[in-house]
Amino acid sequence: GAGVSQSPSNKVTEKGKDVELRCDPISGHTALYWYRQSLGQGLEFLIYFQGNSAPDKSGLPSDRFSAERTGGSVSTLTIQRTQQEDSAVYLCASSQLGGYTFGSGTRLTVV
Amino acid sequence: AQSVSQHNHHVILSEAASLELGCNYSYGGTVNLFWYVQYPGQHLQLLLKYFSGDPLVKGIKGFEAEFIKSKFSFNLRKPSVQWSDTAEYFCAVNGANGGSQGNLIFGKGTKLSVKP
Repeated sequence: GAGVSQSPSNKVTEKGKDVELRCDPISGHTALYWYRQSLGQGLEFLIYFQGNSAPDKSGLPSDRFSAERTGGSVSTLTIQRTQQEDSAVYLCASSQLGGYTFGSGTRLTVV
Repeated sequence: AQSVSQHNHHVILSEAASLELGCNYSYGGTVNLFWYVQYPGQHLQLLLKYFSGDPLVKGIKGFEAEFIKSKFSFNLRKPSVQWSDTAEYFCAVNGANGGSQGNLIFGKGTKLSVKP
């Protein structure tokens, strides 16, 4: 597609439930990133996929967070046993030599 | 540790005022620098970027930024703001080897409110 697509746009979940967030990057972009945007905290790096290399998971805040990228394209970010502090906007971006493109994000609310 | 500092959390200006938003970074090695803007309810958009060459970079919508290596700074400027510039502005850095790839480290953002 023309841009980075994320779904769902909004997700409300109960504390303790698992959630999956999806990112469809721009076709042909080899790099894909997940960030978390919390109020007043800017964008916090979570994980980075580059081609077939092992992902850089250094930003994942706990082992409840995981992500995979299938076939070098679509990525899923999974949060297990959600906590209220996980409430945030989760942004995906993809890049090629031309620059980074961000999706509109998934707003996650844990109640 | 690698970090980006944006010292102004919220800036309020009247239309036609001049704007300067501060950005300082801490990063070992050569860097690429970026400014992104997020208009209310919209996704992040690139305003401008610096990879190499002329340290004065011009971006979209009349914005510019100057890379001062000795000060580890990349401040964003605009001579005359408009109400439509109301948005949140983020400074970001990555390692120069990354080019347009590699993890971006963001500042916490500066919210700009322009009064009509």
